[in-house]
Amino acid sequence: EADIYQTPRYLVIGTGKKITLECSQTMGHDKMYWYQQDPGMELHLIHYSYGVNSTEKGDLSSESTVSRIRTEHFPLTLESARPSHTSQYLCASSVSTGAQETQYFGPGTRLLVL
Amino acid sequence: ILNVEQSPQSLHVQEGDSTNFTCSFPSSNFYALHWYRWETAKSPEALFVMTLNGDEKKKGRISATLNTKEGYSYLYIKGSQPEDSATYLCAFGSGAAGNKLTFGGGTRVLVKP
Repeated sequence: EADIYQTPRYLVIGTGKKITLECSQTMGHDKMYWYQQDPGMELHLIHYSYGVNSTEKGDLSSESTVSRIRTEHFPLTLESARPSHTSQYLCASSVSTGAQETQYFGPGTRLLVL
Repeated sequence: ILNVEQSPQSLHVQEGDSTNFTCSFPSSNFYALHWYRWETAKSPEALFVMTLNGDEKKKGRISATLNTKEGYSYLYIKGSQPEDSATYLCAFGSGAAGNKLTFGGGTRVLVKP
Protein backbone atom coordinates (compact mmCIF):
# COMPACT_ATOMS: atom_id res chain seq x y z
CA GLU A 1 0.00 0.00 0.00
CA ALA A 2 1.52 3.28 -1.11
CA ASP A 3 1.54 6.18 1.34
CA ILE A 4 1.59 9.28 -0.77
CA TYR A 5 -0.70 12.19 -0.08
CA GLN A 6 -1.80 15.24 -1.97
CA THR A 7 -3.66 18.29 -0.72
CA PRO A 8 -5.95 19.84 -1.60
CA ARG A 9 -7.87 17.29 -3.64
CA TYR A 10 -9.90 20.00 -5.34
CA LEU A 11 -9.14 23.71 -5.67
CA VAL A 12 -11.13 26.47 -7.33
CA ILE A 13 -9.29 29.76 -7.38
CA GLY A 14 -9.29 33.10 -9.16
CA THR A 15 -6.79 34.31 -11.73
CA GLY A 16 -3.65 35.86 -10.34
CA LYS A 17 -3.62 34.00 -7.03
CA LYS A 18 -0.54 32.18 -5.80
CA ILE A 19 -1.16 28.50 -5.08
CA THR A 20 0.85 25.64 -3.65
CA LEU A 21 -0.07 22.04 -4.20
CA GLU A 22 1.24 19.77 -1.48
CA CYS A 23 2.67 16.29 -1.94
CA SER A 24 4.07 14.13 0.84
CA GLN A 25 5.19 10.52 1.01
CA THR A 26 6.07 8.45 4.06
CA MET A 27 7.94 5.67 2.25
CA GLY A 28 11.37 7.30 2.29
CA HIS A 29 11.51 7.30 -1.51
CA ASP A 30 14.37 9.29 -3.02
CA LYS A 31 12.62 10.11 -6.30
CA MET A 32 9.50 12.21 -6.68
CA TYR A 33 7.55 13.43 -9.72
CA TRP A 34 4.79 15.81 -10.74
CA TYR A 35 2.54 14.99 -13.68
CA GLN A 36 -0.10 17.15 -15.33
CA GLN A 37 -3.14 15.73 -17.05
CA ASP A 38 -5.49 17.87 -19.08
CA PRO A 39 -8.99 16.40 -19.64
CA GLY A 40 -8.90 13.50 -22.09
CA MET A 41 -5.14 13.72 -22.49
CA GLU A 42 -2.09 11.78 -21.34
CA LEU A 43 -0.20 12.27 -18.12
CA HIS A 44 2.81 14.48 -18.83
CA LEU A 45 5.85 14.81 -16.60
CA ILE A 46 6.40 18.44 -15.58
CA HIS A 47 8.93 18.14 -12.72
CA TYR A 48 11.01 15.50 -11.02
CA SER A 49 13.50 15.20 -8.21
CA TYR A 50 16.10 12.55 -7.49
CA GLY A 51 16.72 13.68 -3.95
CA VAL A 52 16.91 16.60 -1.54
CA ASN A 53 17.91 19.86 -3.24
CA SER A 54 17.64 18.23 -6.66
CA THR A 55 14.88 19.32 -9.07
CA GLU A 56 14.58 19.09 -12.85
CA LYS A 57 12.03 20.12 -15.42
CA GLY A 58 10.12 17.36 -17.16
CA ASP A 59 9.16 16.80 -20.76
CA LEU A 60 6.23 19.23 -20.71
CA SER A 61 7.01 22.88 -20.15
CA SER A 62 5.27 24.29 -17.10
CA GLU A 63 5.14 27.71 -15.43
CA SER A 64 5.05 26.02 -12.04
CA THR A 65 8.06 25.60 -9.77
CA VAL A 66 8.94 22.90 -7.25
CA SER A 67 11.24 22.50 -4.26
CA ARG A 68 12.66 19.50 -2.42
CA ILE A 69 13.96 20.60 0.96
CA ARG A 70 12.94 17.39 2.71
CA THR A 71 12.89 13.85 1.33
CA GLU A 72 9.22 13.37 2.07
CA HIS A 73 7.90 16.66 0.74
CA PHE A 74 7.69 17.93 -2.87
CA PRO A 75 5.39 20.95 -3.17
CA LEU A 76 4.45 22.57 -6.49
CA THR A 77 3.83 26.31 -6.69
CA LEU A 78 2.14 28.54 -9.22
CA GLU A 79 3.01 32.18 -8.53
CA SER A 80 0.09 33.60 -10.50
CA ALA A 81 -2.63 31.17 -11.51
CA ARG A 82 -4.25 31.48 -14.93
CA PRO A 83 -7.16 29.63 -16.55
CA SER A 84 -4.64 27.77 -18.73
CA HIS A 85 -3.35 26.12 -15.54
CA THR A 86 -6.69 24.35 -15.06
CA SER A 87 -5.78 20.69 -15.01
CA GLN A 88 -5.26 17.66 -12.82
CA TYR A 89 -1.89 17.39 -11.08
CA LEU A 90 -0.59 14.04 -9.86
CA CYS A 91 2.39 13.46 -7.63
CA ALA A 92 4.35 10.20 -7.59
CA SER A 93 7.39 8.74 -5.87
CA SER A 94 9.74 5.81 -6.38
CA VAL A 95 12.82 4.24 -4.89
CA SER A 96 15.79 3.37 -7.09
CA THR A 97 15.60 -0.35 -7.91
CA GLY A 98 16.77 -0.41 -11.51
CA ALA A 99 14.51 -1.47 -14.36
CA GLN A 100 11.78 -2.82 -12.04
CA GLU A 101 11.33 0.58 -10.39
CA THR A 102 7.64 1.35 -9.81
CA GLN A 103 6.18 4.80 -9.32
CA TYR A 104 3.51 5.16 -6.65
CA PHE A 105 0.89 7.83 -7.21
CA GLY A 106 -1.07 10.15 -5.00
CA PRO A 107 -4.79 10.75 -5.60
CA GLY A 108 -4.22 13.99 -7.50
CA THR A 109 -5.33 17.60 -7.20
CA ARG A 110 -7.97 18.93 -9.58
CA LEU A 111 -7.32 22.62 -10.14
CA LEU A 112 -9.82 25.03 -11.67
CA VAL A 113 -8.67 28.59 -12.26
CA LEU A 114 -11.47 31.05 -12.99
CA ILE B 1 8.40 13.63 -26.69
CA LEU B 2 8.14 9.86 -27.21
CA ASN B 3 5.00 8.46 -28.82
CA VAL B 4 3.05 5.94 -26.72
CA GLU B 5 -0.33 4.95 -28.14
CA GLN B 6 -3.12 2.95 -26.53
CA SER B 7 -6.07 1.48 -28.35
CA PRO B 8 -8.92 1.48 -28.16
CA GLN B 9 -9.54 4.66 -26.18
CA SER B 10 -12.54 3.05 -24.54
CA LEU B 11 -14.47 -0.17 -24.61
CA HIS B 12 -17.59 -1.62 -23.09
CA VAL B 13 -17.47 -5.24 -21.99
CA GLN B 14 -20.27 -7.48 -20.82
CA GLU B 15 -19.70 -9.02 -17.40
CA GLY B 16 -18.09 -12.44 -17.82
CA ASP B 17 -16.57 -11.66 -21.22
CA SER B 18 -12.84 -11.46 -21.78
CA THR B 19 -11.16 -8.53 -23.45
CA ASN B 20 -7.76 -7.18 -24.42
CA PHE B 21 -6.22 -3.91 -25.54
CA THR B 22 -2.93 -2.63 -26.84
CA CYS B 23 -0.09 -0.32 -25.96
CA SER B 24 2.36 0.67 -28.72
CA PHE B 25 5.70 2.25 -27.93
CA PRO B 26 9.05 3.00 -29.61
CA SER B 27 11.06 -0.18 -30.24
CA SER B 28 14.40 1.55 -29.64
CA ASN B 29 16.03 2.38 -26.30
CA PHE B 30 13.56 0.17 -24.44
CA TYR B 31 14.01 0.05 -20.67
CA ALA B 32 10.67 -0.97 -19.14
CA LEU B 33 6.96 -1.02 -19.83
CA HIS B 34 4.54 -0.32 -16.98
CA TRP B 35 0.82 -0.97 -16.71
CA TYR B 36 -1.36 0.93 -14.24
CA ARG B 37 -5.02 0.69 -13.33
CA TRP B 38 -6.72 3.99 -12.47
CA GLU B 39 -10.14 3.85 -10.91
CA THR B 40 -12.23 6.99 -10.68
CA ALA B 41 -11.40 9.16 -7.65
CA LYS B 42 -8.47 6.92 -6.70
CA SER B 43 -4.72 6.88 -7.30
CA PRO B 44 -3.27 5.04 -10.28
CA GLU B 45 -2.25 1.59 -9.05
CA ALA B 46 0.72 -0.29 -10.49
CA LEU B 47 -0.20 -3.61 -12.13
CA PHE B 48 2.97 -4.77 -13.89
CA VAL B 49 6.50 -3.74 -14.74
CA MET B 50 7.85 -5.61 -17.74
CA THR B 51 11.45 -5.48 -18.90
CA LEU B 52 12.23 -8.48 -21.11
CA ASN B 53 11.03 -9.27 -24.61
CA GLY B 54 8.51 -12.10 -24.37
CA ASP B 55 7.68 -11.31 -20.74
CA GLU B 56 4.28 -12.43 -19.55
CA LYS B 57 2.90 -11.26 -16.22
CA LYS B 58 -0.29 -12.26 -14.45
CA LYS B 59 -2.22 -10.87 -11.50
CA GLY B 60 -5.49 -12.65 -10.86
CA ARG B 61 -7.62 -12.41 -13.99
CA ILE B 62 -5.38 -9.75 -15.57
CA SER B 63 -2.32 -10.60 -17.61
CA ALA B 64 0.05 -8.80 -19.94
CA THR B 65 2.51 -9.69 -22.67
CA LEU B 66 5.44 -7.74 -24.06
CA ASN B 67 7.08 -7.56 -27.48
CA THR B 68 9.98 -5.10 -27.37
CA LYS B 69 11.20 -5.84 -30.90
CA GLU B 70 7.97 -4.65 -32.51
CA GLY B 71 7.04 -2.23 -29.72
CA TYR B 72 3.75 -3.41 -28.30
CA SER B 73 2.20 -4.85 -25.17
CA TYR B 74 -1.22 -6.43 -24.71
CA LEU B 75 -3.23 -6.40 -21.52
CA TYR B 76 -5.87 -9.10 -21.10
CA ILE B 77 -8.79 -9.27 -18.69
CA LYS B 78 -10.34 -12.71 -18.39
CA GLY B 79 -13.97 -13.01 -17.28
CA SER B 80 -14.46 -9.26 -16.75
CA GLN B 81 -16.18 -8.14 -13.56
CA PRO B 82 -17.72 -4.72 -12.77
CA GLU B 83 -14.80 -4.00 -10.42
CA ASP B 84 -12.47 -4.18 -13.42
CA SER B 85 -14.02 -0.94 -14.69
CA ALA B 86 -11.17 1.58 -14.76
CA THR B 87 -8.77 3.36 -17.05
CA TYR B 88 -5.73 1.24 -17.86
CA LEU B 89 -2.56 3.20 -18.53
CA CYS B 90 0.65 1.99 -20.03
CA ALA B 91 3.91 3.87 -19.54
CA PHE B 92 7.16 3.48 -21.46
CA GLY B 93 10.54 3.91 -19.85
CA SER B 94 13.40 4.42 -22.28
CA GLY B 95 17.04 3.70 -21.69
CA ALA B 96 17.83 7.29 -22.45
CA ALA B 97 15.40 8.62 -19.86
CA GLY B 98 15.99 5.91 -17.26
CA ASN B 99 13.09 5.84 -14.88
CA LYS B 100 11.23 8.78 -16.42
CA LEU B 101 8.01 7.47 -17.90
CA THR B 102 6.03 8.47 -20.98
CA PHE B 103 2.36 7.60 -20.61
CA GLY B 104 -0.19 6.60 -23.20
CA GLY B 105 -3.66 8.12 -23.22
CA GLY B 106 -5.21 5.10 -21.53
CA THR B 107 -7.95 2.62 -22.36
CA ARG B 108 -11.13 3.25 -20.43
CA VAL B 109 -12.90 -0.05 -19.68
CA LEU B 110 -16.52 -0.20 -18.55
CA VAL B 111 -17.83 -3.60 -17.54
CA LYS B 112 -21.60 -3.82 -17.71
CA PRO B 113 -23.45 -6.23 -15.41
